[in-house]
Amino acid sequence: DAMVIQNPRYQVTQFGKPVTLSCSQTLNHNVMYWYQQKSSQAPKLLFHYYDKDFNNEADTPDNFQSRRPNTSFCFLDIRSPGLGDAAMYLCATSRDPPGPRNQETQYFGPGTRLLVL
Amino acid sequence: GDSVTQMEGPVTLSEEAFLTINCTYTATGYPSLFWYVQYPGEGLQLLLKATKADDKGSNKGFEATYRKETTSFHLEKGSVQVSDSAVYFCALSATSGFGKGTKLSVIP
Repeated sequence: DAMVIQNPRYQVTQFGKPVTLSCSQTLNHNVMYWYQQKSSQAPKLLFHYYDKDFNNEADTPDNFQSRRPNTSFCFLDIRSPGLGDAAMYLCATSRDPPGPRNQETQYFGPGTRLLVL
Repeated sequence: GDSVTQMEGPVTLSEEAFLTINCTYTATGYPSLFWYVQYPGEGLQLLLKATKADDKGSNKGFEATYRKETTSFHLEKGSVQVSDSAVYFCALSATSGFGKGTKLSVIP
């Protein structure tokens, strides 16, 4: 089945130690998104790629970076994790980029839960 | 900017009760509207969507009608089941964000 895969499902890191979360997709979608979701809150968009075009949300901290080496893979790098970065990180894809007239259904992976010690 | 306002929970219902979760939106133009569901420990998945005024999205017994005159997209189900227990999010496009989410618990 075509899907969005996130590994690992749980990631433990130490305060200040760089960590990378991975996402892959078999849907061949043009757009890949990274969201941060804290407990009992809505997902918060960090950034998205439309093909190779990177789009950062205005309030995403510089501590968060992303790479998309090809259509299938996208990585979230947290350069110096703090305790406040502990959260669920969700990857999603869509065929079309976000926009007022696009019908862009998003397809989500199961998420990676990050714990910062 | 574009945004959604969603009824917050938690909502607790008995099995076979009627469900309504309210969602209103603010947007320029004519956005598509979505309901996503998140089961415990999982990512979000699309429940239903509507792409233009008066469209009705439906799936798994859930329905929502795109009402331009009231700028609303309320989620309804006539008879909820225990397996419907989850968090429900109303949404516009990805960059407009999700509603705050409504946690639904259905008790036998």
